[in-house]
Amino acid sequence: SQQGEEDPQALSIQEGENATMNCSYKTSINNLQWYRQNSGRGLVHLILIRSNEREKHSGRLRVTLDTSKKSSSLLITASRAADTASYFCATMGDFGNEKLTFGTGTRLTIIP
Amino acid sequence: DTGVSQDPRHKITKRGQNVTFRCDPISEHNRLYWYRQTLGQGPEFLTYFQNEAQLEKSRLLSDRFSAERPKGSFSTLEIQRTEQGDSAMYLCASSLQAGVSSGANVLTFGAGSRLTVL
Repeated sequence: SQQGEEDPQALSIQEGENATMNCSYKTSINNLQWYRQNSGRGLVHLILIRSNEREKHSGRLRVTLDTSKKSSSLLITASRAADTASYFCATMGDFGNEKLTFGTGTRLTIIP
Repeated sequence: DTGVSQDPRHKITKRGQNVTFRCDPISEHNRLYWYRQTLGQGPEFLTYFQNEAQLEKSRLLSDRFSAERPKGSFSTLEIQRTEQGDSAMYLCASSLQAGVSSGANVLTFGAGSRLTVL
């Protein structure tokens, strides 16, 4: 079973625009991670935010976390064609529940 | 180290046959995970190991599925009496888990093994 849902399911934007994806989850977490998957390939870790953090940046990525609403967002600024991929949020529980549980994903298409 | 390796990359089999997938994790990683992914869906957790101990197995996993990590290094995932519904991408990932708390446990994924059951 999957922990959460992502919104939107698919997103198409022009190159250079910003892309925002949202993730909601159901149970308490230790951390939330975002992964990218290019078509037919494995997943690549992008960024991790701990449950006691509210915002984190890495290059063109900005992640927010609202534990009261059990939601997170991923912002990709100044998008590039190479950003075309599926993006998944994944949550990890506390000690004793440390498997990573993935959401349903957002398919992002950057139009050159 | 070349990352997480999975073999075979593609497997086509007939219904009822057994298949086995192998995963070689990053050598210093003590945790190894198996996931299944179908088209348009996120990865679904199957099981994970810390060293050779299998810590958790999904309740969704039928008895036809078994995973081992005998020496705490490579792992195998076997599916017995395959069914068409087993067709999916099987993903392996590994991580280094230090200490007793989950901390920042980031997974490194392999490219996956795609199974097609005819």
